[in-house]
Amino acid sequence: DAGVTQSPTHLIKTRGQHVTLRCSPISGHKSVSWYQQVLGQGPQFIFQYYEKEERGRGNFPDRFSARQFPNYSSELNVNALLLGDSALYLCASSSDRTGGYTFGSGTRLTVV
Amino acid sequence: AQSVTQLDSQVPVFEEAPVELRCNYSSSVSVYLFWYVQYPNQGLQLLLKYLSGSTLVKGINGFEAEFNKSQTSFHLRKPSVHISDTAEYFCAVKETSGSRLTFGEGTQLTVNP
Repeated sequence: DAGVTQSPTHLIKTRGQHVTLRCSPISGHKSVSWYQQVLGQGPQFIFQYYEKEERGRGNFPDRFSARQFPNYSSELNVNALLLGDSALYLCASSSDRTGGYTFGSGTRLTVV
Repeated sequence: AQSVTQLDSQVPVFEEAPVELRCNYSSSVSVYLFWYVQYPNQGLQLLLKYLSGSTLVKGINGFEAEFNKSQTSFHLRKPSVHISDTAEYFCAVKETSGSRLTFGEGTQLTVNP
C-alpha cells in the first residue's frame, strides 16, 4: 500500500509569492493534518481536516489556508510568503481520532 | 492546552549501550502519547503509542516506553542501540478528544561505534 504522498518534495519561492502544497493520504484514511517543521524544532500543528471539514487550526496567520477534496486529498496554500515560512511541511493522515498518524516525507519550502 | 518537554536535546551513546530519552508532558485532560523518529531529510515514523491499558508500551526496532501518570512522563528506552538508531526522536501528546499533536523540541540520538 502507498503511504502518505506529498508533492513537490522541494520548492524554492520568492518573498511575496504564493505556494500550494499537495498531500494524498493513505487509502481509506479520512483525516489529513498539516504541520510546519522549522529547522531544529519540533513540528507545529497548522490544520486538520476530517471528512472535508476543518476540525482544528493552529496558531498560524490567515495567509495559511487549506482544503480537503472528496477523495480526501488535501492542499495547503500559503500566500504572501515570508522568509520565516521556510520549513519542512509535513502532511499526516489517520483513520480515526486515536492518533497513530502516518506522516509523509514532507515538502521542503525555501523562501528567498 | 498541552505541552511537551524533552529533557535532553542531544544524547550521545556508544553502540550496544542502553539508552533512555526523557519526555515530560503537561495537560489538564486525558491524553494519548507518542514517540516518533525522524531520519535526515525524511518525514516522521511512528515508533510507539500509548492509548490506554498497560503502561509499558513496546514499539518497533526494539524500543519501548513507559507511561507514568503521576510523574506525567513517557520515557523512551532501548536496551542496546545500533548505529542505525542515530536520528532525531520526538515525543508528542494529543488530547483524547482533540485533533492536534503537540510535539517536543526533539532529542538527537547519536550512536557512536
